[in-house]
Amino acid sequence: EVQLVESGGGLVQPGGSLRLSCVASGFTAISNHMSWVRQAPGKGLECVSLIYSGGGTYYADSVKDRFTISRDNSKNTLYLQMNSLRAEDTAVYYCARRDPSGYERYWGQGTLVTVSS
Amino acid sequence: EIVMTQSPAILSVSPGERATLSCRASQSVSSNLAWYQQTPGQAPRLLIYGASTRATGIPARFSGSGSGTQFTLTISSLQSEDFAVYYCQQYHDWPSYTFGQGTKLEIK
Repeated sequence: EVQLVESGGGLVQPGGSLRLSCVASGFTAISNHMSWVRQAPGKGLECVSLIYSGGGTYYADSVKDRFTISRDNSKNTLYLQMNSLRAEDTAVYYCARRDPSGYERYWGQGTLVTVSS
Repeated sequence: EIVMTQSPAILSVSPGERATLSCRASQSVSSNLAWYQQTPGQAPRLLIYGASTRATGIPARFSGSGSGTQFTLTISSLQSEDFAVYYCQQYHDWPSYTFGQGTKLEIK
């Protein structure tokens, strides 16, 4: 059974940093495209970052140069390092496994990031 | 960036009736269109991909249609668990796959 479990969210001050983790089970993360999708309170969905099975990465303009996606193959874990956080980064962050065709087939339960002083 | 527009924002339908949700793309996405369902406090769940293919385990009352710029999600006979927010997503414009703003399906 495919499972994705996120952790690492919390309250952080503007300008601060957080690292989100997503532990994958039931499949090998390195063999798949993996994404981070966020949802601000009461708002829609935004894909903020993606790491391809081949290792290339993508970032939305809204997080470029502040967020870094990575993975630890030995732990089958995906990460999102978030620096210089802003109030507008407040959201639930979901880890997802992207099908090779492009849609997000499997989702984690999400972790809440709140940026506030 | 391809902009996805969903309508209506809120749809009120009685249980047992049919619901029709629309999604329009600002430019053609071919059949590279997915639909997701999200209930309060839960992660989105994939319903439809390829504009019309049901994901594993999705009941037959859910159906998708359309291609190019106009898409429809139809729920043929609403059950209580179907009242949720529905999002469309285009995955044509690699890798910036954009979502619509959502349609909230509520009980009439």
